[in-house]
Amino acid sequence: QQQVKQSPQSLIVQKGGISIINCAYENTAFDYFPWYQQFPGKGPALLIAIRPDVSEKKEGRFTISFNKSAKQFSLHIMDSQPGDSATYFCAAIHGSSNTGKLIFGQGTTLQVKP
Amino acid sequence: DAGVIQSPRHEVTEMGQEVTLRCKPISGHDYLFWYRQTMMRGLELLIYFNNNVPIDDSGMPEDRFSAKMPNASFSTLKIQPSEPRDSAVYFCASSSGRGARSNEKLFFGSGTQLSVL
Repeated sequence: QQQVKQSPQSLIVQKGGISIINCAYENTAFDYFPWYQQFPGKGPALLIAIRPDVSEKKEGRFTISFNKSAKQFSLHIMDSQPGDSATYFCAAIHGSSNTGKLIFGQGTTLQVKP
Repeated sequence: DAGVIQSPRHEVTEMGQEVTLRCKPISGHDYLFWYRQTMMRGLELLIYFNNNVPIDDSGMPEDRFSAKMPNASFSTLKIQPSEPRDSAVYFCASSSGRGARSNEKLFFGSGTQLSVL
């Protein structure tokens, strides 16, 4: 019940295209859903996050769509650029719990071709 | 701020040797996390501390692994004896303890690439 399942494992998109990465969770106590971006040789860095009281959050070219009833959320990268090539992790946490901890998906390696 | 600092960046050792990984969290952060990243298992939480006290070590794979946080600015992850299956990238992360939901936003170091031959 603590798992977060992420797909696809890898993704190749042409420059200017839309990249879509999906995640699903089971634990209904999760109340914070971030996405982390990781470049080679670096640690993951927080990209964008959403709470379950909204269905969508947009920051620039990055949008999270959240479906509470389906227990799914996804990351959309509009107008994908070669600089977006990285590994993306979804995560979930029961943040309001003092002992909550981030549970990460398996990661998606995105390659944006020029 | 220099961010989370980990050392060494790369460690190559032979099976059976002791390995010590080091981490300096962001100043003022009250939470410190150790993660392991592999292709097969992704990012796994090994242990985390709050105010230098271990809170959850359920992810520590075996007794060969131990972690300490002697003060607010330093933590170590030790593997003794090391085995080839311990080869992975080990990340340290920290977060601010101010207010509720303090462990939601993690700041990661650049990791230590460990290779056990």
